[in-house]
Amino acid sequence: DAKTTQPPSMDCAEGRAANLPCNHSTISGNEYVYWYRQIHSQGPQYIIHGLKNNETNEMASLIITEDRKSSTLILPHATLRDTAVYYCIVTNFGNEKLTFGTGTRLTIIP
Amino acid sequence: DVKVTQSSRYLVKRTGEKVFLECVQDMDHENMFWYRQDPGLGLRLIYFSYDVKMKEKGDIPEGYSVSREKKERFSLILESASTNQTSMYLCASSPGGEGNTIYFGEGSWLTVV
Repeated sequence: DAKTTQPPSMDCAEGRAANLPCNHSTISGNEYVYWYRQIHSQGPQYIIHGLKNNETNEMASLIITEDRKSSTLILPHATLRDTAVYYCIVTNFGNEKLTFGTGTRLTIIP
Repeated sequence: DVKVTQSSRYLVKRTGEKVFLECVQDMDHENMFWYRQDPGLGLRLIYFSYDVKMKEKGDIPEGYSVSREKKERFSLILESASTNQTSMYLCASSPGGEGNTIYFGEGSWLTVV
Protein backbone atom coordinates (compact mmCIF):
# COMPACT_ATOMS: atom_id res chain seq x y z
CA ASP A 1 0.00 0.00 0.00
CA ALA A 2 1.15 3.55 -0.77
CA LYS A 3 2.50 5.67 2.07
CA THR A 4 0.61 8.76 3.16
CA THR A 5 1.70 11.96 4.87
CA GLN A 6 -0.62 13.99 7.07
CA PRO A 7 -0.02 16.94 9.42
CA PRO A 8 0.10 15.71 13.02
CA SER A 9 -2.49 18.16 14.31
CA MET A 10 -4.96 20.85 13.29
CA ASP A 11 -7.46 23.11 14.98
CA CYS A 12 -10.72 24.32 13.52
CA ALA A 13 -13.40 26.64 14.90
CA GLU A 14 -16.80 25.12 15.52
CA GLY A 15 -19.15 25.74 12.61
CA ARG A 16 -16.36 26.32 10.12
CA ALA A 17 -15.21 23.92 7.43
CA ALA A 18 -12.35 21.64 8.43
CA ASN A 19 -9.97 20.83 5.58
CA LEU A 20 -7.62 17.95 6.24
CA PRO A 21 -4.84 17.37 3.69
CA CYS A 22 -3.14 14.11 2.77
CA ASN A 23 -0.20 13.50 0.47
CA HIS A 24 0.11 10.16 -1.30
CA SER A 25 2.60 10.77 -4.08
CA THR A 26 3.36 7.07 -4.64
CA ILE A 27 -0.26 6.02 -5.17
CA SER A 28 -0.75 3.46 -7.90
CA GLY A 29 -3.53 3.28 -10.46
CA ASN A 30 -5.77 0.78 -8.68
CA GLU A 31 -5.46 2.23 -5.20
CA TYR A 32 -8.31 4.07 -3.55
CA VAL A 33 -8.06 6.90 -1.02
CA TYR A 34 -9.94 6.12 2.18
CA TRP A 35 -10.58 8.30 5.20
CA TYR A 36 -11.36 6.99 8.66
CA ARG A 37 -11.52 8.73 12.01
CA GLN A 38 -11.05 7.46 15.49
CA ILE A 39 -12.53 9.06 18.54
CA HIS A 40 -10.68 8.26 21.73
CA SER A 41 -11.15 4.68 22.92
CA GLN A 42 -13.41 3.73 20.00
CA GLY A 43 -12.91 1.76 16.82
CA PRO A 44 -12.09 3.56 13.55
CA GLN A 45 -15.14 4.95 11.78
CA TYR A 46 -15.35 4.92 8.00
CA ILE A 47 -15.94 8.37 6.50
CA ILE A 48 -15.52 8.30 2.74
CA HIS A 49 -13.43 6.92 -0.09
CA GLY A 50 -12.69 7.64 -3.74
CA LEU A 51 -10.58 6.59 -6.70
CA LYS A 52 -10.31 9.54 -9.07
CA ASN A 53 -13.38 11.71 -8.81
CA ASN A 54 -14.44 13.93 -5.96
CA GLU A 55 -16.92 12.29 -3.62
CA THR A 56 -19.49 13.58 -1.16
CA ASN A 57 -21.66 11.87 1.42
CA GLU A 58 -23.60 12.91 4.48
CA MET A 59 -20.46 13.17 6.56
CA ALA A 60 -17.86 14.78 4.34
CA SER A 61 -16.46 15.59 0.92
CA LEU A 62 -13.30 14.17 -0.59
CA ILE A 63 -11.32 16.17 -3.11
CA ILE A 64 -8.65 14.24 -5.04
CA THR A 65 -6.19 16.15 -7.22
CA GLU A 66 -6.06 15.33 -10.90
CA ASP A 67 -2.67 13.62 -10.58
CA ARG A 68 -4.03 11.71 -7.53
CA LYS A 69 -0.95 12.54 -5.50
CA SER A 70 -2.87 14.34 -2.80
CA SER A 71 -6.36 14.71 -1.40
CA THR A 72 -8.35 16.80 1.05
CA LEU A 73 -11.10 15.70 3.39
CA ILE A 74 -13.63 18.44 4.05
CA LEU A 75 -15.99 18.46 7.02
CA PRO A 76 -18.32 21.27 5.94
CA HIS A 77 -19.61 22.44 9.33
CA ALA A 78 -17.39 21.10 12.08
CA THR A 79 -18.93 20.33 15.46
CA LEU A 80 -17.28 19.45 18.77
CA ARG A 81 -18.09 15.79 18.09
CA ASP A 82 -15.77 15.89 15.09
CA THR A 83 -12.76 16.11 17.41
CA ALA A 84 -10.84 12.93 16.59
CA VAL A 85 -7.78 11.50 14.89
CA TYR A 86 -8.31 11.35 11.12
CA TYR A 87 -6.52 8.77 9.03
CA CYS A 88 -5.90 8.86 5.32
CA ILE A 89 -5.22 5.45 3.81
CA VAL A 90 -4.35 4.50 0.28
CA THR A 91 -5.08 0.90 -0.59
CA ASN A 92 -6.77 -1.47 -2.96
CA PHE A 93 -7.58 -3.70 -0.01
CA GLY A 94 -5.76 -6.43 -1.84
CA ASN A 95 -4.37 -7.94 1.31
CA GLU A 96 -6.41 -6.13 3.95
CA LYS A 97 -3.28 -5.14 5.85
CA LEU A 98 -4.36 -1.62 6.62
CA THR A 99 -1.61 0.79 7.58
CA PHE A 100 -3.18 3.65 9.49
CA GLY A 101 -0.09 5.68 10.28
CA THR A 102 -0.32 8.41 12.89
CA GLY A 103 -3.07 10.51 11.26
CA THR A 104 -4.09 14.10 12.01
CA ARG A 105 -5.43 14.98 15.43
CA LEU A 106 -8.25 17.44 14.69
CA THR A 107 -9.46 19.60 17.55
CA ILE A 108 -12.66 21.60 17.14
CA ILE A 109 -12.54 24.80 19.15
CA PRO A 110 -15.82 26.14 20.60
CA ASP B 1 -25.98 0.92 8.83
CA VAL B 2 -23.33 -1.74 9.03
CA LYS B 3 -22.94 -3.02 12.54
CA VAL B 4 -19.93 -4.89 13.87
CA THR B 5 -20.46 -5.85 17.46
CA GLN B 6 -17.75 -6.94 19.83
CA SER B 7 -18.96 -8.82 22.85
CA SER B 8 -16.86 -7.14 25.52
CA ARG B 9 -15.67 -3.55 25.75
CA TYR B 10 -13.39 -3.99 28.72
CA LEU B 11 -11.84 -7.17 30.10
CA VAL B 12 -9.28 -7.91 32.77
CA LYS B 13 -7.73 -11.38 32.68
CA ARG B 14 -4.94 -13.15 34.51
CA THR B 15 -1.74 -14.38 32.91
CA GLY B 16 -2.22 -17.90 31.57
CA GLU B 17 -5.98 -17.65 31.20
CA LYS B 18 -7.70 -18.60 27.95
CA VAL B 19 -9.49 -15.57 26.56
CA PHE B 20 -12.27 -15.43 23.98
CA LEU B 21 -13.14 -12.25 22.11
CA GLU B 22 -16.33 -12.51 20.09
CA CYS B 23 -17.37 -10.49 17.07
CA VAL B 24 -20.61 -10.48 15.10
CA GLN B 25 -21.48 -8.57 11.92
CA ASP B 26 -24.97 -8.14 10.56
CA MET B 27 -24.29 -7.30 6.90
CA ASP B 28 -23.57 -10.76 5.46
CA HIS B 29 -19.98 -9.72 4.77
CA GLU B 30 -17.59 -12.31 3.38
CA ASN B 31 -14.46 -11.01 5.11
CA MET B 32 -13.76 -10.58 8.77
CA PHE B 33 -10.61 -9.41 10.54
CA TRP B 34 -8.98 -9.09 13.93
CA TYR B 35 -6.50 -6.28 14.58
CA ARG B 36 -4.79 -5.00 17.66
CA GLN B 37 -3.95 -1.36 18.18
CA ASP B 38 -1.12 -0.17 20.38
CA PRO B 39 0.26 3.35 20.90
CA GLY B 40 3.00 4.12 18.40
CA LEU B 41 2.47 0.85 16.50
CA GLY B 42 -0.76 1.60 14.70
CA LEU B 43 -3.14 -1.14 13.63
CA ARG B 44 -1.66 -4.62 13.19
CA LEU B 45 -3.49 -7.50 11.55
CA ILE B 46 -3.66 -10.69 13.63
CA TYR B 47 -5.89 -12.97 11.55
CA PHE B 48 -8.49 -12.66 8.84
CA SER B 49 -11.06 -14.88 7.22
CA TYR B 50 -12.49 -14.88 3.70
CA ASP B 51 -15.13 -17.50 4.31
CA VAL B 52 -16.66 -19.76 6.89
CA LYS B 53 -14.11 -22.15 8.38
CA MET B 54 -11.29 -20.41 6.50
CA LYS B 55 -8.59 -18.35 8.17
CA GLU B 56 -5.38 -16.66 7.16
CA LYS B 57 -2.54 -15.41 9.35
CA GLY B 58 -1.89 -11.72 9.44
CA ASP B 59 1.27 -9.98 10.59
CA ILE B 60 1.24 -11.03 14.26
CA PRO B 61 -0.60 -14.36 14.69
CA GLU B 62 1.66 -15.77 17.40
CA GLY B 63 -0.19 -16.45 20.61
CA TYR B 64 -3.61 -16.17 18.95
CA SER B 65 -6.04 -18.42 17.15
CA VAL B 66 -9.40 -17.77 15.51
CA SER B 67 -12.64 -19.53 14.75
CA ARG B 68 -15.27 -18.83 12.12
CA GLU B 69 -18.02 -21.45 12.30
CA LYS B 70 -20.73 -19.11 10.99
CA LYS B 71 -20.48 -16.35 8.43
CA GLU B 72 -21.51 -13.61 10.83
CA ARG B 73 -19.28 -14.58 13.73
CA PHE B 74 -15.50 -14.42 14.09
CA SER B 75 -13.82 -15.25 17.38
CA LEU B 76 -10.32 -14.42 18.55
CA ILE B 77 -8.79 -16.76 21.09
CA LEU B 78 -5.80 -16.09 23.29
CA GLU B 79 -4.73 -19.60 24.26
CA SER B 80 -2.69 -18.50 27.27
CA ALA B 81 -2.88 -14.77 27.90
CA SER B 82 0.32 -12.87 28.58
CA THR B 83 0.93 -9.31 29.71
CA ASN B 84 2.26 -8.31 26.28
CA GLN B 85 -1.18 -9.06 24.89
CA THR B 86 -2.63 -6.14 26.82
CA SER B 87 -4.07 -4.02 24.03
CA MET B 88 -7.15 -2.78 22.24
CA TYR B 89 -8.52 -5.44 19.91
CA LEU B 90 -10.55 -4.43 16.89
CA CYS B 91 -12.81 -6.63 14.84
CA ALA B 92 -13.74 -5.58 11.32
CA SER B 93 -15.70 -6.87 8.36
CA SER B 94 -15.97 -6.09 4.67
CA PRO B 95 -17.97 -7.37 1.70
CA GLY B 96 -14.78 -8.08 -0.28
CA GLY B 97 -13.59 -6.97 -3.70
CA GLU B 98 -11.68 -3.94 -4.95
CA GLY B 99 -12.82 -0.61 -3.60
CA ASN B 100 -14.84 -2.15 -0.83
CA THR B 101 -14.93 -0.70 2.66
CA ILE B 102 -13.84 -2.19 5.95
CA TYR B 103 -16.07 -1.48 8.93
CA PHE B 104 -14.79 -1.71 12.48
CA GLY B 105 -16.35 -2.61 15.78
CA GLU B 106 -16.07 -0.46 18.91
CA GLY B 107 -13.00 -2.28 20.17
CA SER B 108 -12.27 -4.48 23.17
CA TRP B 109 -9.80 -3.23 25.75
CA LEU B 110 -8.00 -6.23 27.22
CA THR B 111 -5.75 -5.94 30.25
CA VAL B 112 -3.73 -9.00 31.24
CA VAL B 113 -2.40 -8.89 34.79
